[in-house]
Amino acid sequence: AQSVTQLGSHVSVSEGALVLLRCNYSSSVPPYLFWYVQYPNQGLQLLLKYTTGATLVKGINGFEAEFKKSETSFHLTKPSAHMSDAAEYFCAAGGGANSKLTFGKGITLSVRP
Amino acid sequence: DGGITQSPKYLFRKEGQNVTLSCEQNLNHDAMYWYRQDPGQGLRLIYYSQIVNDFQKGDIAEGYSVSREKKESFPLTVTSAQKNPTAFYLCASSNSDGTDTQYFGPGTRLTVL
Repeated sequence: AQSVTQLGSHVSVSEGALVLLRCNYSSSVPPYLFWYVQYPNQGLQLLLKYTTGATLVKGINGFEAEFKKSETSFHLTKPSAHMSDAAEYFCAAGGGANSKLTFGKGITLSVRP
Repeated sequence: DGGITQSPKYLFRKEGQNVTLSCEQNLNHDAMYWYRQDPGQGLRLIYYSQIVNDFQKGDIAEGYSVSREKKESFPLTVTSAQKNPTAFYLCASSNSDGTDTQYFGPGTRLTVL
């Protein structure tokens, strides 16, 4: 069975600083990997996804993530944080049975002025 | 515009009452999903349906029921058997492109008094 690990529950960065949100997965099959963002009291919005091909994936709002099979990781980065990036971020993995996604527990990003 | 709608946004019910949450999509997606979200617990799958007139239990199906009579609609009923129904409920759908990408509705916040 797949599992997705997002270490920590909260990350705080200064505006303009690098954002790094970590995600590790455990899978016996080649995974599809996703990052979603959730603003308060809203649904999840797809930031980016890796299915096949280039391992560096660019998404919306300046975010990108790199699939590293040897490290079973799919960390999310953004070079310069903006106040509007404050939200909860979920990593998810698919490619298993019945097309279901396995979600990490999420991590809250705070951005300090 | 194509998308997923959930109604209502906020719902209040008395303990012991059944309540039905609506989820409609006009994306022509085959699969639909219901998740429950509680603080610090990420998303937990309640039920999913990969085709009309068929659905499967997820990880926390007890106390919930669903139907899938139309491709566009996947209503969730929270029954009085659900011991702790207060939560944020998210509906999602996905197409059959083989990447497991799910798209989410805006959510319904259910409060049982």
